[in-house]
This record gives sequence, C-alpha cells and structure tokens, in this order.
Amino acid sequence: AQSVTQLGSHVSVSEGALVLLRCNYSSSVPPYLFWYVQYPNQGLQLLLKYTTGATLVKGINGFEAEFKKSETSFHLTKPSAHMSDAAEYFCAVSGGNDYKLSFGAGTTVTVRA
Amino acid sequence: DAGITQSPRYKITETGRQVTLMCHQTWSHSYMFWYRQDLGHGLRLIYYSAAADITDKGEVPDGYVVSRSKTENFPLTLESATRSQTSVYFCATYRGGTDTQYFGPGTRLTVL
Repeated sequence: AQSVTQLGSHVSVSEGALVLLRCNYSSSVPPYLFWYVQYPNQGLQLLLKYTTGATLVKGINGFEAEFKKSETSFHLTKPSAHMSDAAEYFCAVSGGNDYKLSFGAGTTVTVRA
Repeated sequence: DAGITQSPRYKITETGRQVTLMCHQTWSHSYMFWYRQDLGHGLRLIYYSAAADITDKGEVPDGYVVSRSKTENFPLTLESATRSQTSVYFCATYRGGTDTQYFGPGTRLTVL
C-alpha cells in the first residue's frame, strides 16, 4: 500500500522567493511519484514525475523535485515564485504497475506581490 | 483533441435522488478512474476500470456504481445521493507507456 503526507496545507511566498513544498511518502514497493497542480475551477495538470533513473526531476514552469529514498521524500521546489504559481499542489504516489494514485491532502500556494 | 470531457460540469440534486456523472475520452486509453476531491483529503479513488467490462473498487466505493460497456465511456452513478457525497468529482485516464494519469475538468456536485 502507498500513502502520501504533504507538510503544510498553506504556503505563502513573496514574488521572486523560493517555493518549497514538502512531500513524504510510504510505499511497500518502489514508488512512482508525481506532483500535480490545480488552478481554480480546473482539473489537475502534471507538473513532473519520478519513475526510475535520475533522482532530480525537472518539470514544467520551472519546477523541480528530488527523490530521496533514504528520507522517503519528494519535495517540490521553484527558485523564484511568480504570481501565476498561485494554485493548489498535490503530491501523489503509485506502486508502479497498479497505476492507481494515492494523493496527499494538497498544499495551497499564495504569492504575495 | 478534446481528451477527457465530463458532464455535467455542475449539478445540484436532492437527497435520495439518483445521479449519473458522465466521463468520455477520445484517446482509447485502457484505464479509467473516478476520484472525489474534498477539502483536507486531497483526491480519493472511488472506482477504476482496466478495460471495457472490467471494474474494481477503490478507496471509497460505498454509495457509487460504475459501468464500462465501451472503452471511451465510464459513467459514475450515485444510486441514492446523500449530503456526504457533495464533492468535486474527477475522471482520469492512464496512458500506457507514460506512467501518467490525465484528468478531466471535474464535476461539482451538490446534494441538498
């Protein structure tokens, strides 16, 4: 079984500041890890994913995440926040071949001008 | 290329009524999923389907029924709606070879 914990339900950052969203996972098999973003009244859009290989994964809109097996973490970062980054972000895990996703509770990001 | 469409986008119904939420995909992906999104819970899997006529329960299946007679459609039925089923419902498909699920725009359901 897989599960995800996102630390912090709300994060507020200044425009231009670092964005850091924390995600820890639990998985009984090698995990596949995902970050999705949801803008108001829209569906979920994939930001990035880790399946195998390089542990530092780059995604869209300048986001990246690093898979750390020893820490069971997959934190999402962006060096410089933009107003358009205001959204809700979800970390998710799957067990690979079963394709089912388990989501964290989500983190809402607000960006201050 | 419409991808995934969900209908209706908004629905208000009353307790005890039957409601069907529709999901249609244009890609012919084998796997399809239904999630509900509630504050503080993220998204939780209700049911999923590996192919036409193959469905299975997810984390929160009680009170829901699904069917999949055609690859492209995956309707979700609330047989007797309850207030606790007020939520936003998302349909998703899994694209083989990409390890990625793609989500529809969602249906916001309110049960009075």
